Amino acid sequence: KAGVTQTPRYLIKTRGQQVTLSCSPISGHRSVSWYQQTPGQGLQFLFEYFSETQRNKGNFPGRFSGRQFSNSRSEMNVSTLELGDSALYLCASSSLASAGGNTQYFGPGTRLTVL
Amino acid sequence: TQLLEQSPQFLSIQEGENLTVYCNSSSVFSSLQWYRQEPGEGPVLLVTVVTGGEVKKLKRLTFQFGDARKDSSLHITAAQPGDTGLYLCAGGGFYGGSQGNLIFGKGTKLSVKP
Repeated sequence: KAGVTQTPRYLIKTRGQQVTLSCSPISGHRSVSWYQQTPGQGLQFLFEYFSETQRNKGNFPGRFSGRQFSNSRSEMNVSTLELGDSALYLCASSSLASAGGNTQYFGPGTRLTVL
Repeated sequence: TQLLEQSPQFLSIQEGENLTVYCNSSSVFSSLQWYRQEPGEGPVLLVTVVTGGEVKKLKRLTFQFGDARKDSSLHITAAQPGDTGLYLCAGGGFYGGSQGNLIFGKGTKLSVKP
């Protein structure tokens, strides 16, 4: 079975721009979660989607948004980029309904650098 | 508020030594997962523990979930340079809080020198 894939792997943007990151979950997984990883804060939960609905949201500003498509693929968008948005963005998929209580499988991440 | 505290933050040891990494919380979790992450890559799942007191072994790695499901430990026997990486614990199904996401510790950076 193919793992979680994320595109692009690397991205360089400038302040004020917006960016869209893509995630394809493991086949058959319906839950997709997004995390931001920085050296100072570690891994922080952004949001989780299940069956095209946002089921949970972390403590991030409204500039961070996401969506999930009928084939479970997910995208996240960050508008009006700030220097502090530079991070590794990780997508994880899970097979069962309650993602928080079940194992999540991570993709390789998208490294976003904001200049 | 950091719900999961990992210790130590950094660990540098010689090949062949044993080590233990701890993951502690004041909250109860329905499951706890351990991941290993290498630079520039996503975390790779090592194990999931779900039952209080559960012990799981993966070759030279031994994982334990506390009886009260608030803490966990990872013990590595005879560490090898290939064990080098960032070890993360993550709690799921946080009772009393929001469901549907993992709470991560900040990780333990392990370096094993030949």
